[in-house]
Amino acid sequence: QQPVQSPQAVILREGEDAVINCSSSKALYSVHWYRQKHGEAPVFLMILLKGGEQKGHEKISASFNEKKQQSSLYLTASQLSYSGTYFCGTVANSGYALNFGKGTSLLVTP
Amino acid sequence: SAVISQKPSRDICQRGTSLTIQCQVDSQVTMMFWYRQQPGQSLTLIATANQGSEATYESGFVIDKFPISRPNLTFSTLTVSNMSPEDSSIYLCSVVRGGGTDTQYFGPGTRLTVL
Repeated sequence: QQPVQSPQAVILREGEDAVINCSSSKALYSVHWYRQKHGEAPVFLMILLKGGEQKGHEKISASFNEKKQQSSLYLTASQLSYSGTYFCGTVANSGYALNFGKGTSLLVTP
Repeated sequence: SAVISQKPSRDICQRGTSLTIQCQVDSQVTMMFWYRQQPGQSLTLIATANQGSEATYESGFVIDKFPISRPNLTFSTLTVSNMSPEDSSIYLCSVVRGGGTDTQYFGPGTRLTVL
């Protein structure tokens, strides 16, 4: 079953923060976050494994709440380069095949 | 990470014909997958390409329409058979290198237009 992402779209001014959520009705093994710019392949951002860990990558971080089967991606002090569509991909067992959400379109304006 | 190439990068085909897409990785990987991304949509898994055996297809995708080969640990092909305009999509291969990491990397994609 496809994970649910929210919001569908968000517009930010440069320097503002954003949170993108991804929730699943299934028990998850891992959550993967990607950013895709128009006409390009998805670029890996980070992976979170069950255990409720939080990871950081410069000004982008994420958390995984295993009890709620929900992950959140945090974008702080957004930059113009953050614009794109963000996808969460979930794995419901110990396999590798990803089930992607519908995506969140993020636009950062000057 | 992994360096992944796909050929062709784009193509325009006539309905009823077939197209084979190649995916080449710079080093051996554990898993290879094929995804489809229809215009403005999310990514949908077509199948897992298994080395030396038949691919594992997701619901809604069949071998006759999307035959897949994976002759070794660095190469796979996806064929889109008897194409119709509904097959117009971006087709992406992805890989998991293994060795304790589950990170999945995507190739640049093949943009297919069927007339």
